[in-house]
Amino acid sequence: DSGVTQTPKHLITATGQRVTLRCSPRSGDLSVYWYQQSLDQGLQFLIQYYNGEERAKGNILERFSAQQFPDLHSELNLSSLELGDSALYFCASSGPRGAADTQYFGPGTRLTVL
Amino acid sequence: GDSVTQMEGPVTLSEEAFLTINCTYTATGYPSLFWYVQYPGEGLQLLLKATKADDKGSNKGFEATYRKETTSFHLEKGSVQVSDSAVYFCGRGFLPAGGTSYGKLTFGQGTILTVHP
Repeated sequence: DSGVTQTPKHLITATGQRVTLRCSPRSGDLSVYWYQQSLDQGLQFLIQYYNGEERAKGNILERFSAQQFPDLHSELNLSSLELGDSALYFCASSGPRGAADTQYFGPGTRLTVL
Repeated sequence: GDSVTQMEGPVTLSEEAFLTINCTYTATGYPSLFWYVQYPGEGLQLLLKATKADDKGSNKGFEATYRKETTSFHLEKGSVQVSDSAVYFCGRGFLPAGGTSYGKLTFGQGTILTVHP
């Protein structure tokens, strides 16, 4: 158990819908990261938040947004969903040293868009 | 940009065989290097890491050495077990000179390892 929790574990929805994925980091970790894992794109970094502020951005679509709240939990919002958004979405957290720190991954949310 | 290239899989071995999974990275900035393992139906777990040139990371019999001259971080294990069957990801972090808290990890495409009894 990494100490990172993600909800829900599975999510099935239809095209055009909007969903919210939730992540709670390990106790004391200030950084939260979101990754997307799909068969064709592999494991891709989406976005990082550090203590409530956006810190780094990767290949995140404009239909996707995220935020980190004062209690440090984070939410990833996916809207106008398309079939190609079906993937595993992982959240990870780390301490203050960013890329020099180990990132601890949650169990993931599997999103299926029908 | 940042990239990581991993040995193509899948890799199939018999128990107690020697394992090597090759990984090379682009040498921009001052990356930390990681190997993560993903067991079926689970998230990624850190296997080992190295933060500077010539560092050797090791854990559970796995080893990898940060080779700056060849920009490589190959994963090795002397004797694999059936329980090592999983997907292995090589990753590099990006830490700009003088920068902190930037945490993007770039991963290779993953290598599926299957170990038979």
